[in-house]
Amino acid sequence: DAKTTQPPSMDCAEGRAANLPCNHSTISGNEYVYWYRQIHSQGPQYIIHGLKNNETNEMASLIITEDRKSSTLILPHATLRDTAVYYCIVRPALNTGNQFYFGTGTSLTVIP
Amino acid sequence: DAGVTQSPTHLIKTRGQQVTLRCSPKSGHDTVSWYQQALGQGPQFIFQYYEEEERQRGNFPDRFSGHQFPNYSSELNVNALLLGDSALYLCASSLLAGGSYEQYFGPGTRLTVT
Repeated sequence: DAKTTQPPSMDCAEGRAANLPCNHSTISGNEYVYWYRQIHSQGPQYIIHGLKNNETNEMASLIITEDRKSSTLILPHATLRDTAVYYCIVRPALNTGNQFYFGTGTSLTVIP
Repeated sequence: DAGVTQSPTHLIKTRGQQVTLRCSPKSGHDTVSWYQQALGQGPQFIFQYYEEEERQRGNFPDRFSGHQFPNYSSELNVNALLLGDSALYLCASSLLAGGSYEQYFGPGTRLTVT
């Protein structure tokens, strides 16, 4: 079952930073936070993941709070192509497999 | 380097029929997972195959079955189709043996049951 809570929808102006929050208050110490996004009618696309340190890659930054109960995905300069549903996922511990349990995600609309 | 491919792209079936969906994983990957995504919902985990065996299973009835072949490709079979089985079926591959848990998703197969 999904272990995360996300707002159902958000808007962001083109060129501005998009900050997508996620609550995962029951996360265990060895569970990772993953972010995927799904553009309409396509398969989900990996964005970034982290355990407890902040992470950055060419697509986004992931900020995880010190108590690990919440995180924020940051798209630094949102474009129209970033309009998608964003899923925050807590991956189960290694010995139970690497399947993901998706919630309903946040539908991000980037406005021109 | 080919990514995850799925066939067919779209499929229309009648209630009670059986369907087989196919997935070829990303080159070098050894694990295939299947997900069902109903309209407006997030993907739901069906099962995962590794070393030609079902390794993990989500909350889906036995009408959903699968297979993994020696070349790591996989099939999803659904028997006695119900209207509620209409959904986008996603295949995801990963390299479990390499300790990587990032999953790469295919474009999906859109199944419509009438």
